[in-house]
Amino acid sequence: QKEVEQNSGPLSVPEGAIASLNCTYSDRGSQSFFWYRQYSGKSPELIMSIYSNGDKEDGRFTAQLNKASQYVSLLIRDSQPSDSATYLCAVNMKETDKLIFGTGTRLQVFP
Amino acid sequence: GAVVSQHPSRVICKSGTSVKIECRSLDFQATTMFWYRQFPKKSLMLMATSNEGSKATYEQGVEKDKFLINHASLTLSTLTVTSAHPEDSSFYICSARVRGTDTQYFGPGTRLTVL
Repeated sequence: QKEVEQNSGPLSVPEGAIASLNCTYSDRGSQSFFWYRQYSGKSPELIMSIYSNGDKEDGRFTAQLNKASQYVSLLIRDSQPSDSATYLCAVNMKETDKLIFGTGTRLQVFP
Repeated sequence: GAVVSQHPSRVICKSGTSVKIECRSLDFQATTMFWYRQFPKKSLMLMATSNEGSKATYEQGVEKDKFLINHASLTLSTLTVTSAHPEDSSFYICSARVRGTDTQYFGPGTRLTVL
């Protein structure tokens, strides 16, 4: 089982819709979770971090964490074509104190 | 947010030469920096963890004599690819962790092409 799993996509949504990106992780002891956005040919850019169960909102982005289910998600409201990118889920593994990345989900927002 | 710079952004070199990449945290102190490599359409692969004032910790399968890492200060880490070969061509990205947190901020990356 991979440590951090994401559906590779592409996930295609129309402009203005809600995009829902999902991620599961294997290390039950993990405490820190991150979403990064990566445009083609660029480096990852931090969007959100989440540490507690529940929702965390920042502008159009909402991160959701469910530690019991070992599940993290990212919702993007009012999706824009400029949101088209690969979204990386990252989990800080407690034992190693290193970030483990999923393979990323490619999001396409079409006008 | 925290800003991390990386230099150069792109380098083309001949096989057998060495290339140095610099990673700087511009507005914060980073006791720990990380070096990643990313191949096209693949996820990030951690190469090594760099701690200020101590030797880097390399991931399994990464040759420490080939990828030399120096973390000379709280704001600077360097990666030197020695005797580069075409298979070393990749996108190298550093990140820096804000002291006291586990949040990593990434530099813009260095695209290395070895001819």
